[in-house]
Amino acid sequence: EVQLVESGGGLVQAGGSLRLSCAVSGFTFSNYWMTWVRQAPGKGLEWVANIKEDGSTKNYVDSVKGRFTISRDNVKRSLYLQMNNLRSEDTAVYYCGRWEVAAIDSWGRGTLITVSS
Amino acid sequence: QSVLTQPPSVSGTPGQNVTISCSGSSSNIAINYVYWYQQLPETAPTLLIYRNNRRPSGVPDRFSGSKSGTSASLAISGLRSEDEADYYCAAWDNSRSGYVFGTGTKVTVL
Repeated sequence: EVQLVESGGGLVQAGGSLRLSCAVSGFTFSNYWMTWVRQAPGKGLEWVANIKEDGSTKNYVDSVKGRFTISRDNVKRSLYLQMNNLRSEDTAVYYCGRWEVAAIDSWGRGTLITVSS
Repeated sequence: QSVLTQPPSVSGTPGQNVTISCSGSSSNIAINYVYWYQQLPETAPTLLIYRNNRRPSGVPDRFSGSKSGTSASLAISGLRSEDEADYYCAAWDNSRSGYVFGTGTKVTVL
């Protein structure tokens, strides 16, 4: 069974940093692109970033470029999102997902980030 | 700000057929596959339709997708109470080099 479990969420002050992790099981992690998607309270989905199987290619939504960094450790079967200079508009539930030719075919349950101003 | 536009809400009675539209542009829907996601209340999204009209295993054939030009649609036939959820379209956008979601549509079963 494919499982993705996010962790690292919490309350942080504006301007602060946070690192999210996503531990996966049930599939060969190193064979898949991975992605982060967020959802602000009561709002729609927003794609944040994705990363190639070997970490050599990364894409970001404009609003997080220069502040967020997606990375992965294929040995530890884990995906990460380093978030710096956080803003109130970054408050959201962050989901990690398995990316299969632009389809996010498996999702974690999400972790909530609250940025206080 | 979403670049794919959906109606905020759609409703129907059990057994009815409903359709959700998704309007995009030449840089996304026109040249890339469209995906649809279902988000039941208080849960993570799940993949409903991939590559315009394909269903992952386990998705009922009541759900179908289509695409034409810069627009796509999700049809739900024989609406059921368990279909009450938010639905999002998505596609890769070449001009943004990023994935874009639709604004989302809440389906209500009356």
